[in-house]
Amino acid sequence: KQEVTQIPAALSVPEGENLVLNCSFTDSAIYNLQWFRQDPGKGLTSLLLIQSSQREQTSGRLNASLDKSSGRSTLYIAASQPGDSATYLCAVKRVTGANNLFFGTGTRLTVIP
Amino acid sequence: NAGVTQTPKFRVLKTGQSMTLLCAQDMNHEYMYWYRQDPGMGLRLIHYSVGEGTTAKGEVPDGYNVSRLKKQNFLLGLESAAPSQTSVYFCASSYSRTGMNTEAFFGQGTRLTVV
Repeated sequence: KQEVTQIPAALSVPEGENLVLNCSFTDSAIYNLQWFRQDPGKGLTSLLLIQSSQREQTSGRLNASLDKSSGRSTLYIAASQPGDSATYLCAVKRVTGANNLFFGTGTRLTVIP
Repeated sequence: NAGVTQTPKFRVLKTGQSMTLLCAQDMNHEYMYWYRQDPGMGLRLIHYSVGEGTTAKGEVPDGYNVSRLKKQNFLLGLESAAPSQTSVYFCASSYSRTGMNTEAFFGQGTRLTVV
């Protein structure tokens, strides 16, 4: 069974700091990995999608990397802002079995003004 | 830009009552999913559909039923609600299983409380 782990569970940083969120998964047979943002009481907003053949994806201040062989992904946020405060979830879509995403439990990020 | 729309957004049920959650997507996606999100457990797949008229069980299907009579709609039913079904329910859709168009899009969620 695919297990996805995100460490740390919570993170507080001062505004302007660069930060890295970590995601690890146990089964490297994946189609892709997706990073989401979830604001309190809200749905999930897709941030970045990395295909299994890719090493990284960038969108604005966000950069996600994927090392499939080691089962790891990182989400790098540059020059953090208070508006970045949210819970960040990573999810992997595996190659076999039920067609679904396996989610981590998320990292709750607080950016302090 | 409607995307994925869930109805209702909030609901309180008494134990034993039934209800249906509606998910509608306007992106012509083949695949649709129902997840539940519980504190400390992440999102878990309840049921999914790979196309109109098809459904399949996910990780936690017990106590739920689904139907996909139209491509754009995916319904989640609770026949006899239990307090253990108190959760936030999310619907998602994606274009296809493989290839580049596999990004999943989520609705805003339905917060269900069973008392």
